[in-house]
Amino acid sequence: NFMLTQPHSVSESPGKTVTISCTGSRGSIASNYVHWYQQRPGSAPTTVIYKDDQRPSGVPDRFSGSIDSSSNSASLTISGLKTEDEADYYCQSYDSGNHGVFGGGTKLTVL
Amino acid sequence: QVTLRESGPALVKPTQTLTLTCTFSGFSLITSRMSVSWIRQPPGKALEWLALIDWDDDKYYSTSLKTRLTISKDTSKNQVVLTMTNVAPVDTATFYCARSSSNSFHFDFWGQGTLVTVST
Repeated sequence: NFMLTQPHSVSESPGKTVTISCTGSRGSIASNYVHWYQQRPGSAPTTVIYKDDQRPSGVPDRFSGSIDSSSNSASLTISGLKTEDEADYYCQSYDSGNHGVFGGGTKLTVL
Repeated sequence: QVTLRESGPALVKPTQTLTLTCTFSGFSLITSRMSVSWIRQPPGKALEWLALIDWDDDKYYSTSLKTRLTISKDTSKNQVVLTMTNVAPVDTATFYCARSSSNSFHFDFWGQGTLVTVST
């Protein structure tokens, strides 16, 4: 089964930049789109990046996404960190059989 | 505007069959060529994709759960139904339905989720 692996947690100070990685278990992560969701406690996930690097309207340009084929990974970068960015972040993609796949989630602490 | 809402029992007993309904509005599965998925999240744990139904009634299931899941749709009611058989306490989770387009698998709209507890 195709899997996506994320760091369990990351922390950084306000104003700094943090990058969350999402590594594919096999094949090429670039073969299918990767999306990123933010989830705050008690709420449903919301999109911060879709189709690898697209930002929905309303999401600040401090959020950016990228794909690195050489490491078979996707990344979510948040610059100018704010305390309001503290949340869980999930990457998501799908396999050739049309099965959805989520990463294990990364807890971002802004301290 | 697009909305999705999950409904179903808050409590089910082990070995029972769980039936959840996703009622959506603001779009048509067929004319928009969209899909609806079910996703669950056990308390304090990660999201897990369960199943998807396409506008043309193609169905896809989580490999690990496919023997226990059935997804269906009633286009006239704008509903997608998920059944999960033989539930156990480990199935306790918040269940979400979410819309996606068939060419990107991006969940652009989610329901608020419904917590289902499996317990005697």
